[in-house]
Formats: sequence, structure tokens, C-alpha cells
Amino acid sequence: GAGVSQSPSNKVTEKGKDVELRCDPISGHTALYWYRQSLGQGLEFLIYFQGNSAPDKSGLPSDRFSAERTGGSVSTLTIQRTQQEDSAVYLCASSFRGRRGAEAFFGQGTRLTVV
Amino acid sequence: GESVGLHLPTLSVQEGDNSIINCAYSNSASDYFIWYKQESGKGPQFIIDIRSNMDKRQGQRVTVLLNKTVKHLSLQIAATQPGDSAVYFCAELYGQNFVFGPGTRLSVLP
Repeated sequence: GAGVSQSPSNKVTEKGKDVELRCDPISGHTALYWYRQSLGQGLEFLIYFQGNSAPDKSGLPSDRFSAERTGGSVSTLTIQRTQQEDSAVYLCASSFRGRRGAEAFFGQGTRLTVV
Repeated sequence: GESVGLHLPTLSVQEGDNSIINCAYSNSASDYFIWYKQESGKGPQFIIDIRSNMDKRQGQRVTVLLNKTVKHLSLQIAATQPGDSAVYFCAELYGQNFVFGPGTRLSVLP
């Protein structure tokens, strides 16, 4: 597609269940970011992938959170044993890192609600 | 740790007036900055960027100013329109990551 695509757009899950959020970055973009945005708040960095390098996982809030990126393209963010505080909008972004400072393009986000 | 923050959490302006949204950053080594606009229910959208070797950059109705001496960034919107109502974030490229501030909500009054 022309932009970053995320699915599902909305997800309601019961506390304790696992969820998977998907991100399809812009074709050719080597960098992929996951951010979390709580209601009325700014963007909290979660994880960053760049090409075949080891991902920067420094923003993951707990070991219940993990992410992978297959084939340098699609990424999946997994939250295990979801808690109510995990409720937020999860945003994915991609950028072309061929030159430093390339802008990041965002998807529409997945709104996760844990009940 | 490093952070990017905003001086004003909300800003209300009259339609047609100019808007100025401010941002303070703390990492003097950062060399790239972006302003994003986020409308309700949507992801952040790129507005304008600036590199640290510049102090001003203009786009269509928007201007970004960078003052490295005081580590301050601002976004100026000329002739603010109702469609400009949104939350605006500044972002700093720190290492390989974009660090975002908490955002400023811009409300355009008729």
C-alpha cells in the first residue's frame, strides 16, 4: 500500500488474554518503530527495528511485551497476559534510513481496550 | 533521561490569527527535529522538519524555528484555519529513535 497499515484498527480483549498487533510498513523502508499512546498523552517509544540489526527493545515496559519483524517487512507486536493498563493506541511508523534523519510515517494505530 | 517537552499543553487561537507552538528539548546532540500533527483518531502526520545546521525552515503556511543555544523549537502556523485544530507534537531524533513530547492541543475559535 501507499502508507503504513496497521491491523486491527480496534481490539477489545479480556484481561489475561494475549493479543497480536500487526504493522505493514511502507515498502522499501528499513526502519520500523512501535509507539504507545495513552489517552491524551504523548507517544511512548516501545521498540525499533533497523534492517537486519538487533532491535532496540529499550522501551518495552515489561517482559509481557515482545515484537518481531519478519523478512525485514511486516512486524507483529505481541502482548501476553494483557492488563488494563495496557489499554492504549499502539502506533507503528516506518522510515527510510538510507539517509540520517528521514521522517517517520505513521499508521492509523490500533486502539487496544483491555476489559 | 533525555526528553522533549512543550511549554503549553493547550492553545486557543482565533481563526485567521497566527499560532505559535513551542517545544523545549534537552539533548544538545540531537541534529534532526520534526513537527507532527495528530487529528482525532488518526496517526501523527508529518508537517515539517529541520536539521540542526539550520535555524529556520518554511513550508506552506508553516515555519519551524530552531534555537540551539537555548534548545528551543517552535512551530508557527500562519492564518490559522479550523482544519488546523489538532494536537501537535515535536519530535527529536535521539540516537536512532524519535523522542516525542507530550503534545499541544491547538483549538481554532471561529
